[in-house]
Amino acid sequence: NAGVTQTPKFRILKIGQSMTLQCTQDMNHNYMYWYRQDPGMGLKLIYYSVGAGITDKGEVPNGYNVSRSTTEDFPLRLELAAPSQTSVYFCASRTWGLQPQHFGDGTRLSIL
Amino acid sequence: ELKVEQNPLFLSMQEGKNYTIYCNYSTTSDRLYWYRQDPGKSLESLFVLLSNGAVKQEGRLMASLDTKARLSTLHITAAVHDLSATYFCAVDIGGATNKLIFGTGTLLAVQP
Repeated sequence: NAGVTQTPKFRILKIGQSMTLQCTQDMNHNYMYWYRQDPGMGLKLIYYSVGAGITDKGEVPNGYNVSRSTTEDFPLRLELAAPSQTSVYFCASRTWGLQPQHFGDGTRLSIL
Repeated sequence: ELKVEQNPLFLSMQEGKNYTIYCNYSTTSDRLYWYRQDPGKSLESLFVLLSNGAVKQEGRLMASLDTKARLSTLHITAAVHDLSATYFCAVDIGGATNKLIFGTGTLLAVQP
């Protein structure tokens, strides 16, 4: 199994540009999450989803949007990129119960 | 404000030595996860601690949870270079949604 796949792996954006970070999982997990990790810091939850059509805000949702039209996909949208959004973004998924979240390899995003 | 604090933030130790990483949190929770992150890589699940007094061991690592003290420990026995990584604890505050609050991480460097 591929697990959690994130694309792209690296991206440089100009201030004010928009982009979508893709996340796909092939484990049929209901729960999916987006985090950002700033240098030398832990992860902060941006948005999460408990199933197709259901999303909710995490700790740091401002400047981001998500959608969950299928079980497999959970894209993260940046509408007006700002330098403060320079970070590494991780997508994760989890099955039912108390199993740990499985993480993708991350997207390294720089906004200049 | 919910806080998850790890100490130390940086730990340099020699091979063969023992040490403990501490994770303190400020809210009521009986579920805590430990993850490992290698430089530039994703997060790998190490331990899932689901109740007060839970203890899990894998190789040279042992994790425990004291929910009354709001404290988890990650003990390293006879460290080896391959254990060099950043270790994160994450507290589950979301009930069924498994929303995690991550600590800032402990960077462990094991010197030969």
